[in-house]
Parts: sequence; C-alpha cells; structure tokens
Amino acid sequence: SQQGEEDPQALSIQEGENATMNCSYKTSINNLQWYRQNSGRGLVHLILIRSNEREKHSGRLRVTLDTSKKSSSLLITASRAADTASYFCATDGAGAGSYQLTFGKGTKLSVIP
Amino acid sequence: EAQVTQNPRYLITVTGKKLTVTCSQNMNHEYMSWYRQDPGLGLRQIYYSMNVEVTDKGDVPEGYKVSRKEKRNFPLILESPSPNQTSLYFCASRSVGNEQFFGPGTRLTVL
Repeated sequence: SQQGEEDPQALSIQEGENATMNCSYKTSINNLQWYRQNSGRGLVHLILIRSNEREKHSGRLRVTLDTSKKSSSLLITASRAADTASYFCATDGAGAGSYQLTFGKGTKLSVIP
Repeated sequence: EAQVTQNPRYLITVTGKKLTVTCSQNMNHEYMSWYRQDPGLGLRQIYYSMNVEVTDKGDVPEGYKVSRKEKRNFPLILESPSPNQTSLYFCASRSVGNEQFFGPGTRLTVL
C-alpha cells in the first residue's frame, strides 16, 4: 500500500535553479528516505532522515522532516541537467523489526539546460 | 561491491510460458522484495521475504510466486504469464532500519 504522496507530480526548472519536492505520509515512521530513478533504471538511495531528526544535508541535497505535520521536503540546490529523474519518498514504518518501506508515486523532475 | 543483481534484464515471452526472474544480493540482508512499476501507478510490491523460508504477499501478488531457500536469492516465478504482467520489475534488499538497495530492473513483455 502506498503511504507517501509526493508533490508536485512533475516539475520543470531551468538549470541552476533550486528544485523542491514534498512528501506527505499518514502513519508514524522510524525514518523517511528519498530515492532517485533515472528513466527505466533501478532506484538509487539518496538520503535517510530518522524520525528524531529535523534536517539533513548531503552535497546539494537538503531534506527536512516535520513529524507533527507528517511531511518531508527534498531540496536540490543549483540543479543540473543530470538531476533530471524521478524522485521518490519512502517511509519506514514504526514498529519493532519493521522492514516495510512504502513508496509514493514520485515527482518527475526535468532540468532544462 | 554491494549490489543486487537480476536476470534477465529484458525478456519477451508468450502467454502461458512459465518463467523465472532471478535475484541475488551479496550484502547478507534479511529482507528482500519484488516490485513492479507501471506508468502512473508507481512502485507496487508483489511479494517480500523477511528471511529464509519466510515470505508474504505484498499489494499485487496474484499470478506470481516466490521462494527464499537461501538468504542471498529470491526468485520471482510467473507460472502462467499473461499480458497484464507486462511491466518493469525490481528486486530489492535491505536490513532493518536502513536504506534499500534495488536491482537494475527486468523489463518483461508478455505477448
């Protein structure tokens, strides 16, 4: 079942601009993860933020988590054409020994050179 | 190199001809799963396995079988494929609380 919902579904920006994608979810989580998928390829893990963290950085990526609003955002700064891909959030449900990751439908990002 | 491998990467087959897509991981992960991805529907989980000999249905298990006889392998079996199983399939593995590793995908066409 899908819990994470990304917003927007599609985003088109110019190279050099920042891209912001949002994710909302419904139930308690241990962590939230963001993945990237180039067309037709496997998903690649970008960043993991735990439920007790509010912000995390990795290179040009910045992720925030607001557990009170059950939402997260992914910011890509100074975007490049190579950032063109689909981005998915995935929630890791709370509970002992939980293995299930629940994925949203993704945001399709197009970065125009 | 830590990885999940799938084979074949591309497969065209005909209705009713049994097929198996193999999946293997080298990270000693307990958890493995299969997804299918279709346009507009996102990733949907087919089956998952918490450990050897422990498997369970995901969201769309109809028409599929799996087995987990060894920790590293998790094959997906289509006993009698039908055209509505034409899709892009991904195998994945993880350990609890950590990131998930995905295979490169298998593009299946059932005629």
